[in-house]
Amino acid sequence: DIVMTQSPDSLAVSLGERATINCKSSQSVLDSSNNKNYLAWYQQKPGQPPKLLIYWASTRESGVPDRFSGSGSGTDFTLTISSLQAEDVAVYYCQQYYSTPCSFGQGTKLDIK
Amino acid sequence: EVQLLESGGGLVQPGGSLRLSCAVSGFTFSDNALNWVRQAPGKGLEWVSSITGSGGRTYYADAVKGRFTISRDNSKNTLYLQMNSLRAEDTAVYYCAKNSSGGYYFDSWGQGTLVTVSS
Repeated sequence: DIVMTQSPDSLAVSLGERATINCKSSQSVLDSSNNKNYLAWYQQKPGQPPKLLIYWASTRESGVPDRFSGSGSGTDFTLTISSLQAEDVAVYYCQQYYSTPCSFGQGTKLDIK
Repeated sequence: EVQLLESGGGLVQPGGSLRLSCAVSGFTFSDNALNWVRQAPGKGLEWVSSITGSGGRTYYADAVKGRFTISRDNSKNTLYLQMNSLRAEDTAVYYCAKNSSGGYYFDSWGQGTLVTVSS
């Protein structure tokens, strides 16, 4: 099974500043046949279900603000929020869907400094 | 608008059974695989089970294999999770989640239903 590890576990960033969350997979999630990374990012606010932000490592879901971006390939990935807004306070999860069982990182809690 | 609405959660004793339901609307039900994902109190997300659009294939996490059964009724637009031999560690909010048509990531989620296993 593929293990997903996020860093840091928690993060506090000032409003308007950049936030960066990292995700590392124990095996590559890149399919060389189509050059796609099977990696998604979700945002979960308190008391709410997760919300899809990014899929294929860097494709933003419809309606997601463009301050959210995803990057990386193979085993190392990053979610970047370019200018933190108050409504971005949440826990963020990465997920690999390259193989079954799919697996999530442990989550990164993002707060305002 | 895609909507997923879970029901059936509650308090059950260890060793007991419970059946969760997820009523779905807003897309062609049989076109998409569906999943159950759970979240223990204060913890992260854990995939539990998946079923293909036709219902012909099912997949389970090792932690629930042999105890849980996923199924779907495409005539009722409803997903189910039959949970038997429940343990304290099964206590969690259970979400149903829809696969995207383009890949096995989850593009829509229900609000969740809480299952508490306790004596």
